[in-house]
Amino acid sequence: TQLLEQSPQFLSIQEGENLTVYCNSSSVFSSLQWYRQEPGEGPVLLVTVVTGGEVKKLKRLTFQFGDARKDSSLHITAAQPGDTGLYLCAGATPGGGADGLTFGKGTHLIIQP
Amino acid sequence: SAVISQKPSRDICQRGTSLTIQCQVDSQVTMMFWYRQQPGQSLTLIATANQGSEATYESGFVIDKFPISRPNLTFSTLTVSNMSPEDSSIYLCSAAGLIGENEQFFGPGTRLTVL
Repeated sequence: TQLLEQSPQFLSIQEGENLTVYCNSSSVFSSLQWYRQEPGEGPVLLVTVVTGGEVKKLKRLTFQFGDARKDSSLHITAAQPGDTGLYLCAGATPGGGADGLTFGKGTHLIIQP
Repeated sequence: SAVISQKPSRDICQRGTSLTIQCQVDSQVTMMFWYRQQPGQSLTLIATANQGSEATYESGFVIDKFPISRPNLTFSTLTVSNMSPEDSSIYLCSAAGLIGENEQFFGPGTRLTVL
């Protein structure tokens, strides 16, 4: 069974601060996705990283995939109250094709004004 | 991205009864999946809905409890059978195969409460 460990589980910071969320595994993933979910809604895809060492930026969000494709991080610069939500990392297993995703436990992020 | 809708959005059911949840995608997709999410928790994959054949279930989930149908490339149903309070959860469907093979898009979920 492949597991994704996400940390921290909960984070409450002030508006304007920076933060990093980590997603780690002992398994290799063919790709890794980051989702953001708000209460009462389904997860919304933020980014997919595929190549080891890949870095993607989405406005104030920077996503990195580890060289060995076992871990990833999400860094938010100058957090805003609108960034509040549940952040989930999810890995796809190697082997090609679409498979169900393995999700981390999520990081509950609260940005206080 | 695809637009995915689910019906019902929420329901309250009595134990011992069954509920069928519908998932509709606005375009043809290769893969559809069903997940369960306890409130405030992460998602657990229940099964892959295969078009024209039996669904592929993950460990801990069985067809008798969670029968799944997928009659075409845009529609799937999940039935939660003989419900108990432990089945209270959010059930989400997802679709993949639109842009990248492993990029999945999710429906809004169905919040189920079993009394």
